[in-house]
Amino acid sequence: ETGVTQTPRHLVMGMTNKKSLKCEQHLGHNAMYWYKQSAKKPLELMFVYNFKEQTENNSVPSRFSPECPNSSHLFLHLHTLQPEDSALYLCASSHPRDRNSPLHFGNGTRLTVT
Amino acid sequence: DQQVKQNSPSLSVQEGRISILNCDYTNSMFDYFLWYKKYPAEGPTFLISISSIKDKNEDGRFTVFLNKSAKHLSLHIVPSQPGDSAVYFCAASGHPNTGNQFYFGTGTSLTVIP
Repeated sequence: ETGVTQTPRHLVMGMTNKKSLKCEQHLGHNAMYWYKQSAKKPLELMFVYNFKEQTENNSVPSRFSPECPNSSHLFLHLHTLQPEDSALYLCASSHPRDRNSPLHFGNGTRLTVT
Repeated sequence: DQQVKQNSPSLSVQEGRISILNCDYTNSMFDYFLWYKKYPAEGPTFLISISSIKDKNEDGRFTVFLNKSAKHLSLHIVPSQPGDSAVYFCAASGHPNTGNQFYFGTGTSLTVIP
């Protein structure tokens, strides 16, 4: 079983739909992240949770709503998205108190908004 | 403003030769640097890291060099193999000074020609 698992792998949704992305980590980490990867752009940090508390929100539009019920699970709820939100959404985890702890990524959800 | 830059979007190298991927950063608070490798349809995989107290870190065929005065790091792959063909991202963080954030470059696509 991989360390960080994301579902679904692919998602196509209309602008009026509501959907959720799920992330689960089995690494015993206490920090979880959502990143967005668009073509020709660096990975953009969206949200960070440390010990279930949100510590970063990088000016993300409210149509993206994160939820972290425990240290192992992270959700990204989506509603009334725009076509420009189409991208690869990556979940990651790390040890927040270890200065030199790398991020471990899932395989991402490829989202297409029509 | 992008704090981590990879100015070469692509690189082609013959099998068996050295691959050198470069990365520049602007924030002097960064003290931990990482390289990730990404295959299509997969999430980034952690490859190697270096903290600012070192100027070199080696792991098998992979060596990362850090030049703090130039704010530059590079990844050397020797010898290059066809399986190394992927997109390589460099990343940096400066926890706790830069929060719990990792800053990524736009990636360099490496092709190793058999």
